[in-house]
Amino acid sequence: AQSVTQLDSHVSVSEGTPVLLRCNYSSSYSPSLFWYVQHPNKGLQLLLKYTSAATLVKGINGFEAEFKKSETSFHLTKPSAHMSDAAEYFCVVSPRAYNTDKLIFGTGTRLQVFP
Amino acid sequence: DVKVTQSSRYLVKRTGEKVFLECVQDMDHENMFWYRQDPGLGLRLIYFSYDVKMKEKGDIPEGYSVSREKKERFSLILESASTNQTSMYLCASSRGPEAFFGQGTRLTVV
Repeated sequence: AQSVTQLDSHVSVSEGTPVLLRCNYSSSYSPSLFWYVQHPNKGLQLLLKYTSAATLVKGINGFEAEFKKSETSFHLTKPSAHMSDAAEYFCVVSPRAYNTDKLIFGTGTRLQVFP
Repeated sequence: DVKVTQSSRYLVKRTGEKVFLECVQDMDHENMFWYRQDPGLGLRLIYFSYDVKMKEKGDIPEGYSVSREKKERFSLILESASTNQTSMYLCASSRGPEAFFGQGTRLTVV
């Protein structure tokens, strides 16, 4: 069975400090993993994806994530938060590498950025 | 750019009404999905379709049905709307390992 656990429902950081959003997954297959972002009243946007290539994945807006199979983790990081990063972030697992089939979403982490 | 368009941003319906939510994509994608999004629960899959006239139940199909008569269009049907179906509904389409989402329809059932 496949599942995703986002370890924090809310994260608050000051502008200019690092961001860490934590995600653990469970998958019977070699998974594809994604991070999506949702700004208020906007649709979901793909930040980055892992599909069994390089384990360190770089995404848009300075975000990156590292796939750690031994820890079954796919944490999202950014060295320096910006006010515009305030949004909800979803970690997503898909059990098959080359097709999207039943994307399984975590419950989301709301990121607040304080000036 | 891939575009996934949901026909309404906001809908208000009465309990017991039959409700249709429409979704159209313009990139010839095989896969299409309907999710509902509720605070603290993330996105939960209602139904998905991997080809015209093909559909599979997701995790929460009860009270919903779907229709896919053409490749570009995937409709979600609430047979008899209930207040616990008040939610944000998101449609998505994909071919490879990336899904593209519509803006969402916020449905309120009163």
